[in-house]
Amino acid sequence: KAGVTQTPRYLIKTRGQQVTLSCSPISGHRSVSWYQQTPGQGLQFLFEYFSETQRNKGNFPGRFSGRQFSNSRSEMNVSTLELGDSALYLCASSLGISWEQYFGPGTRLTVT
Amino acid sequence: GIQVEQSPPDLILQEGANSTLRCNFSDSVNNLQWFHQNPWGQLINLFYIPSGTKQNGRLSATTVATERYSLLYISSSQTTDSGVYFCAVEQGDNYGQNFVFGPGTRLSVLP
Repeated sequence: KAGVTQTPRYLIKTRGQQVTLSCSPISGHRSVSWYQQTPGQGLQFLFEYFSETQRNKGNFPGRFSGRQFSNSRSEMNVSTLELGDSALYLCASSLGISWEQYFGPGTRLTVT
Repeated sequence: GIQVEQSPPDLILQEGANSTLRCNFSDSVNNLQWFHQNPWGQLINLFYIPSGTKQNGRLSATTVATERYSLLYISSSQTTDSGVYFCAVEQGDNYGQNFVFGPGTRLSVLP
């Protein structure tokens, strides 16, 4: 069974631009979660989608948004990029609440 | 919200040594997982262990949910075990999945 895939793997953007990251979950998984990892803050939860509905959201500004499609693939968008948005963005998928989560390889975003 | 602590923050071992990593959490959880983050950033699943004991080769884990801690044991460590180990917990409320990660333990295994 194929694992969680994320595209692109690396991205360099300029302050003020916007970016869209993509995540394809494991086949059959309907829950997709997004996390941001930075050296200073560690791994922090962004949001979670299940059957195209955002069920949970972390403490991030409105510049961070996401969506999930009917095939469970998910995208997250960051608008008006700031230097502090430079991070590793990880996506995870699972069957649902309290089920084991599996992570993708991540997208490393650098904002200059 | 729930707090997750990991100890020790850093650990340096000689190849072949054994180690114990600890994860403490401040509230009851429905899900607890241990991950190993490789140098490229990928989080690799080690154990899904909300309670009880599991073993997988040289690794084993125990979660005592009533006392709110989990332990990860690494025996006969190898240089490939180096990396950061994370504990993550989920309270599993009706509002959806939401992992809270500990700060990690950075393990260095020397040849």
